[in-house]
Amino acid sequence: KAGVTQTPRYLIKTRGQQVTLSCSPISGHRSVSWYQQTPGQGLQFLFEYFSETQRNKGNFPGRFSGRQFSNSRSEMNVSTLELGDSALYLCASSSASRSTDTQYFGPGTRLTVL
Amino acid sequence: AQKVTQAQTEISVVEKEDVTLDCVYETRDTTYYLFWYKQPPSGELVFLIRRNSFDEQNEISGRYSWNFQKSTSSFNFTITASQVVDSAVYFCALSDLTGGSEKLVFGKGMKLTVNP
Repeated sequence: KAGVTQTPRYLIKTRGQQVTLSCSPISGHRSVSWYQQTPGQGLQFLFEYFSETQRNKGNFPGRFSGRQFSNSRSEMNVSTLELGDSALYLCASSSASRSTDTQYFGPGTRLTVL
Repeated sequence: AQKVTQAQTEISVVEKEDVTLDCVYETRDTTYYLFWYKQPPSGELVFLIRRNSFDEQNEISGRYSWNFQKSTSSFNFTITASQVVDSAVYFCALSDLTGGSEKLVFGKGMKLTVNP
């Protein structure tokens, strides 16, 4: 089975721009979660989607949004980029067949905001 | 709130040494899950193990072993006879069902460097 894929792998943007990151889960997985990883804050949960619905959201401003498509692929969007948004954005998928299931991560998208 | 503490931030060992990575967690949940992930320089988080709160049996997988003790809220990870390829950042994580679906709460990670 192919793993979680994320595109693009690297992005450089300037302050004020917006960006869209994409995540394709493992085949058959219906839950997609997004995490932000920074040196200062570590790994923090952004949001989780299941069957095209956002089921959970972390403590991030409204500039961070996401969506999930019928094929379980997910995108996250960050508008009005700030320098502090520079981070590794990791996507994880799980089958979510039970209330708790193992999350498998993709390679991440490294976003640099100049 | 759920919390995971990895007190060690960085460890450096010589190949073939054994090394133990500590993880202490806090939760009010009676049912929860604990995880260990490995993050090599490439950035991807690689799943290593998942343990539920009702299963306190230690587990061994090759050179890896895990010691789960509810009494001390610890879930420690030992690498036996370390190898250079074990060099990575290791994260301990705890499930958090607040908000209606599972999310992971991670520790700050511990960077392991294995020198030849």
